[in-house]
Parts: sequence; C-alpha cells; structure tokens
Amino acid sequence: GAGVSQSPSNKVTEKGKDVELRCDPISGHTALYWYRQSLGQGLEFLIYFQGNSAPDKSGLPSDRFSAERTGGSVSTLTIQRTQQEDSAVYLCASTRSGADNEQFFGPGTRLTVL
Amino acid sequence: EDQVTQSPEALRLQEGESSSLNCSYTVSGLRGLFWYRQDPGKGPEFLFTLYSAGEEKEKERLKATLTKKESFLHITAPKPEDSATYLCAVQAANTGNQFYFGTGTSLTVIP
Repeated sequence: GAGVSQSPSNKVTEKGKDVELRCDPISGHTALYWYRQSLGQGLEFLIYFQGNSAPDKSGLPSDRFSAERTGGSVSTLTIQRTQQEDSAVYLCASTRSGADNEQFFGPGTRLTVL
Repeated sequence: EDQVTQSPEALRLQEGESSSLNCSYTVSGLRGLFWYRQDPGKGPEFLFTLYSAGEEKEKERLKATLTKKESFLHITAPKPEDSATYLCAVQAANTGNQFYFGTGTSLTVIP
C-alpha cells in the first residue's frame, strides 16, 4: 500500500553532467505528472503521461529535459547537460485515471547543480 | 493567460485564532480547483477539490469555498499541527491535463 516513491531523495551534480530522476507511482494509477518546484515559485508542470497515450510534453522547459514511462508504471526524468538554474525539487504525482482526479505526490528529489 | 494568485504569502496565527487563505484565479473554463497542504521536505498532500461556484467542502478545522473568481480556505480554531504551506491549483477546460499552482501561503500557528 505504498504511496508514490521517488529516488534519489537528494542529488548533487556538477554543471554539465546528466542526471536521471526516478518515480514509482501508486500501483494501478494510470496518470503520472512531473513538476518542478523552485524556491519561491509555484509548482511548474513539466510533463504528463496517461496510459499508453502520447505524453503531454508542453511544460518541458528545454530540449535538455526528457522523460519516459516504461510499461505504464515507473517513470524517469532525464536532464542533460545540467545548468545551475535546474536546481530545484522535482516532484512526481500519480492519479487513478484521467487528469481531473486528486494527485498523490511523492516526496520529491532535491537537485542541486554546482 | 491562466493565472493563480494566493494571499497572503505568509500568515502567523495564535492557536485558536481563525482566519482565511485566499486563492484567486483567472482561467478559461474552470474544470476544478484543488487545495493541497505541503509540509517541509514533503510532497503536497491533497485536501479538497471544488468544481463549481457555491460549492463548499469541510475536513476537520478546514473549510474550502469557491466563487467564480476565487476560493477561500477557512481555518477554524487552528492548532500548531496545522502549520504548513497551503497550495491552490486549478485545472482549466482549455488546457486539458495541466494544473496551474499558486505559490502558496505559509501558515504558522503559534501555541
């Protein structure tokens, strides 16, 4: 009966390196979101997956950001050639189905780019 | 442009001192307005969903209300454990999957 889990909880990397952030949604939840939360900012939508449909990537800030979801479950957010402005908490959320249900959030991954 | 504004940014209350948090929004066709609570170092935790003007929902000391332009989260006789950041999010009819979040109100309840 676990909730949404994310790993790692903290990630410190050097500018220019690539990072991968992982999200394990609640079992049976078909929809998955990635958000970015920067200090003093609201949650910023990044990408949305729903079942086997093509993901909604409209929130990805640049082509350095990509995400995939394998087998309709685990998702990985990849940031290539990280920049200092990428430092933030990256949150994942899943919902039972569709986009208008309550979202269950994971604890987030705090990314620090030095 | 769709927008969500929360006020105040921060609020300090004495235990038992009731107050309200505001979330004003401008979206084209509201599909739903959501309230979340976020504790430090954790992900947001769902509180309420409101769909139409006039709707109200309650949970313990919290009551959420909705009009055509804003939502209020009323906190009655708060306790120190109610201290958290409260986030508001809206979903618009014309932007499908996206949720627009406000920057939150940081609530501190002093014993």
